[in-house]
Amino acid sequence: GESVGLHLPTLSVQEGDNSIINCAYSNSASDYFIWYKQESGKGPQFIIDIRSNMDKRQGQRVTVLLNKTVKHLSLQIAATQPGDSAVYFCAEGGPTSGTYKYIFGTGTRLKVLA
Amino acid sequence: SAVISQKPSRDICQRGTSLTIQCQVDSQVTMMFWYRQQPGQSLTLIATANQGSEATYESGFVIDKFPISRPNLTFSTLTVSNMSPEDSSIYLCSVTQGAYYGYTFGSGTRLTVV
Repeated sequence: GESVGLHLPTLSVQEGDNSIINCAYSNSASDYFIWYKQESGKGPQFIIDIRSNMDKRQGQRVTVLLNKTVKHLSLQIAATQPGDSAVYFCAEGGPTSGTYKYIFGTGTRLKVLA
Repeated sequence: SAVISQKPSRDICQRGTSLTIQCQVDSQVTMMFWYRQQPGQSLTLIATANQGSEATYESGFVIDKFPISRPNLTFSTLTVSNMSPEDSSIYLCSVTQGAYYGYTFGSGTRLTVV
């Protein structure tokens, strides 16, 4: 197996249940946030993003919530499927933080139980 | 979004040698970045690859160890020089078109130094 996710926090969820993955970000000047999914042996893949002028954004089966007061971001996955098993990273950044660089969180490994 | 071809996908190298990783994008992109992902860890930015000028390195990364080239808007290379086992990581190329676009990542280069 690949090394990604070996030492990361793990969330185990029953197939069909909803998953919630949390992330605390560090820079109050960040105005753009992204969730990435990284499957074994692959590069991170964009899932959903949100700008700081919003507190919720929905995609297909995924919802991102942003709480700027406590600098907290969450990713909700509805009806979790085996294909959702991966490592999930949040990233913060945006031009108001000074650059186009993004800072990545520590990551959470999602395991979907059959 | 842009499609990135990163080569090699993996390599096993002897300590003291160097490896050059290539990143080819199928369209012109504004910004290119190189990240390192150590085993079981998140992504750490090495540098921003600037077209036609020297790369901008993050704290803890130096040009002598990680020389970067970016001759045009679609191509960049990262060299890992004088390798030691501590350099064993996944190295990822990423691109963005600017603010609020997020990153697209290559599939990564899995480097093992023995």
